[in-house]
Amino acid sequence: VQLQEWGAGLLKPSETLSLTCAVYGGSFSAYYWAWIRQPPGKGLEWIGEISHGGSISYNPSLKSRVTISIDTSGNQFSLRLGSVTAADTAMSYCARVSLMVTGRPFDCWGQGILVSVSS
Amino acid sequence: DIQMTQSPSSLSASVGDRVTITCRASQSVTQLNWYRQKPGKAPEFLIYDASEFQSGVPSRVSGSGSGTNFTLTISNLQPEDFATYYCQQSNRSPVTFGGGTKVEIK
Repeated sequence: VQLQEWGAGLLKPSETLSLTCAVYGGSFSAYYWAWIRQPPGKGLEWIGEISHGGSISYNPSLKSRVTISIDTSGNQFSLRLGSVTAADTAMSYCARVSLMVTGRPFDCWGQGILVSVSS
Repeated sequence: DIQMTQSPSSLSASVGDRVTITCRASQSVTQLNWYRQKPGKAPEFLIYDASEFQSGVPSRVSGSGSGTNFTLTISNLQPEDFATYYCQQSNRSPVTFGGGTKVEIK
């Protein structure tokens, strides 16, 4: 299984971050799919996740600005984060949520894409 | 939210050493996972449910603990083990990660 993110890497304050993750190989329908971000030099923050059937969970800290959607025919899912500020500058990762074990770990990750917000 | 606190935030060790990283949850959890992140790379999944190995993880990496206190132990440190380690809980939304422990070469 491989995950590949793409999208705009440089934004201005107040713009909308838009990223897509394509999933190659494996079963797209048997898993949940997540977005996780990491500000430079800092730790990991879960943004949210979506199931093949469209069930969605968001981090309450971002919920008012976040939309995660899924394209089941194209084996890809997307992230939109509105009204970005410099605080949203981060490496964004897409990841697979394993439902095969009870821990629901993120067992496969994309290589990440750096999104910078600057005026 | 369940807060995950790791200690130490960094440590220095030599090849062949044994190191232990602690992760403490603000509430009892059962779904506790560990990851390793090498510089400039995405995190890699190591352990789930506190002590169960992901396929391909060497046996010198082990996890233990329950409730609110968990540990990750790496025996016979190898060059590829020098990285940052994160714990993560999935019991309650939002999913939360510890702040990370950086294992550096002494």
